[in-house]
Amino acid sequence: KAGVTQTPRYLIKTRGQQVTLSCSPISGHRSVSWYQQTPGQGLQFLFEYFSETQRNKGNFPGRFSGRQFSNSRSEMNVSTLELGDSALYLCASSSAGATNEKLFFGSGTQLSVL
Amino acid sequence: QKEVEQNSGPLSVPEGAIASLNCTYSDRGSQSFFWYRQYSGKSPELIMSIYSNGDKEDGRFTAQLNKASQYVSLLIRDSQPSDSATYLCAVKVAGGFKTIFGAGTRLFVKA
Repeated sequence: KAGVTQTPRYLIKTRGQQVTLSCSPISGHRSVSWYQQTPGQGLQFLFEYFSETQRNKGNFPGRFSGRQFSNSRSEMNVSTLELGDSALYLCASSSAGATNEKLFFGSGTQLSVL
Repeated sequence: QKEVEQNSGPLSVPEGAIASLNCTYSDRGSQSFFWYRQYSGKSPELIMSIYSNGDKEDGRFTAQLNKASQYVSLLIRDSQPSDSATYLCAVKVAGGFKTIFGAGTRLFVKA
């Protein structure tokens, strides 16, 4: 069974640009969560999607948005990039996002904003 | 107050010793508790989950949960250099659809 796939692996952008990251969950998994990881802040929750619906959102500005498609693949978009958006963005999937379910992480997208 | 707090470390232990990692959480509605391990340059991977008060053992790993004290811990017995990694404590609130992570504790096991 293939794992969680994130593309691209690396991205370099300049301030003010926008970026779209993609995540394909494990086959059969319908819950997709996104996290931002920085050395100082650790893993910060961005949002969670299930069956194309956002069920929870973290404390990030509106520049961060996401969506999920009918095949459970998910994308996140960051508009008007700032230097502070440089981070590793991790996607994680689980079967249904139930309370006792563990997360399976992708390899992440390393975003550098110059 | 952060939702999930861990000592950032680094925690350094000699090979063969017991490593003790601690975590506290703020939401009393938390129902599921996880320990993830993250090697440098890699993604987190689950090593233990615990849902009820007490101890849960899996090989060299023991997770401990005390909901009254809002405290979770992970013990690693017979620590090996390959255990050197960052250990992330994670908590999930029932029906919240989000897993909250602590900042992680860096563990070094010296050969």
